[in-house]
Amino acid sequence: QKEVEQNSGPLSVPEGAIASLNCTYSDRGSQSFFWYRQYSGKSPELIMSIYSNGDKEDGRFTAQLNKASQYVSLLIRDSQPSDSATYLCAVLLSGSARQLTFGSGTQLTVLP
Amino acid sequence: DAGITQSPRYKITETGRQVTLMCHQTWSHSYMFWYRQDLGHGLRLIYYSAAADITDKGEVPDGYVVSRSKTENFPLTLESATRSQTSVYFCASRTLDTEAFFGQGTRLTVV
Repeated sequence: QKEVEQNSGPLSVPEGAIASLNCTYSDRGSQSFFWYRQYSGKSPELIMSIYSNGDKEDGRFTAQLNKASQYVSLLIRDSQPSDSATYLCAVLLSGSARQLTFGSGTQLTVLP
Repeated sequence: DAGITQSPRYKITETGRQVTLMCHQTWSHSYMFWYRQDLGHGLRLIYYSAAADITDKGEVPDGYVVSRSKTENFPLTLESATRSQTSVYFCASRTLDTEAFFGQGTRLTVV
């Protein structure tokens, strides 16, 4: 079992719709979770971090965390063509190593 | 300029040659990482370092060597490059429990 799993996609949504990206993780001790966006040919950039159960909103983006279910999600409201990218879920593993482990990513396309 | 920079951005090398990818950060972050990114695999951790002179293996360390004599630098060396090491390599840095910041990446082709 991979430590971080994402719905592999690809995912296509029409402009203005809500895009929902999901991620599960195996390390119950993990406390820090991140969503990165990566445009083609570019490096990953952080868009959201979440540390507590519940929702965290930042503009059109909402991250949701459920530690009991070991589940993290990202909602993008009013999706725009500029949101078309690969979204990477990252989990900071517990233990002394403090490794940041990534899912394989979900490719999102927002259709005009 | 502040941030994290990688060099070179692009590199073509021959099978069997040694090649070193450079990574430099100006934030004095304690943790530094090397990832490789291949289609279908996402970002896989090669090596990481918690501080100067402290390094450890990640998920895919075979064929790679790292060193960290100074906090700001974390070079990655491919001792004898193979075609399977053709990839995009990303260096990243962070403090203890924060998000990681990435360099621009190095696209390496082994022919």
